[in-house]
Amino acid sequence: DAGITQSPRYKITETGRQVTLMCHQTWSHSYMFWYRQDLGHGLRLIYYSAAADITDKGEVPDGYVVSRSKTENFPLTLESATRSQTSVYFCASSSGTTTNSPLHFGNGTRLTVT
Amino acid sequence: EDQVTQSPEALRLQEGESSSLNCSYTVSGLRGLFWYRQDPGKGPEFLFTLYSAGEEKEKERLKATLTKKESFLHITAPKPEDSATYLCAVPSSGGYNKLIFGAGTRLAVHP
Repeated sequence: DAGITQSPRYKITETGRQVTLMCHQTWSHSYMFWYRQDLGHGLRLIYYSAAADITDKGEVPDGYVVSRSKTENFPLTLESATRSQTSVYFCASSSGTTTNSPLHFGNGTRLTVT
Repeated sequence: EDQVTQSPEALRLQEGESSSLNCSYTVSGLRGLFWYRQDPGKGPEFLFTLYSAGEEKEKERLKATLTKKESFLHITAPKPEDSATYLCAVPSSGGYNKLIFGAGTRLAVHP
């Protein structure tokens, strides 16, 4: 089915471990985004990518790494997980810039860092 | 600093009881305002984009309006299936690809 898929849906990890969250889209959208959603903060942008091999920081990039070797995939890696990174992570894609193209979101990954 | 504030945080309505949700924003040079709907356990789903003061968009029981300082999402004769969290967002003045989201309004419509 066309769309945007995130995996895993749920993940529990320990402090200090490396974790990678996966995101795959089938629309061939140029732009992809990673947001985290926390109570009281709403959605905050972590990183985004305008095309393969082009990435840029958002509001809260510290502790995260992204890559985009293929247009359809945009993995997010937590290099050394901390409890403050416990959150729900959403991947999104769009066909153009956010001023003229809506974001299409995946259903999220709920990450718990113990 | 770019900021988006939504009110109320939560709203409980009886089926058929119309109301409005508010989204106020402070951003230099508005380049659009977006409304999304989010159901529990799911990602936000796009509803509307508004670009200029006075603009209105409608979809079923929802109507979004925009002024120079705020947007309203009017819900007319809501049904239980309209229960969700409604989010608004604006592009950051610091970057075209950075959306600033409000914390959302949780709407519950009871039969």
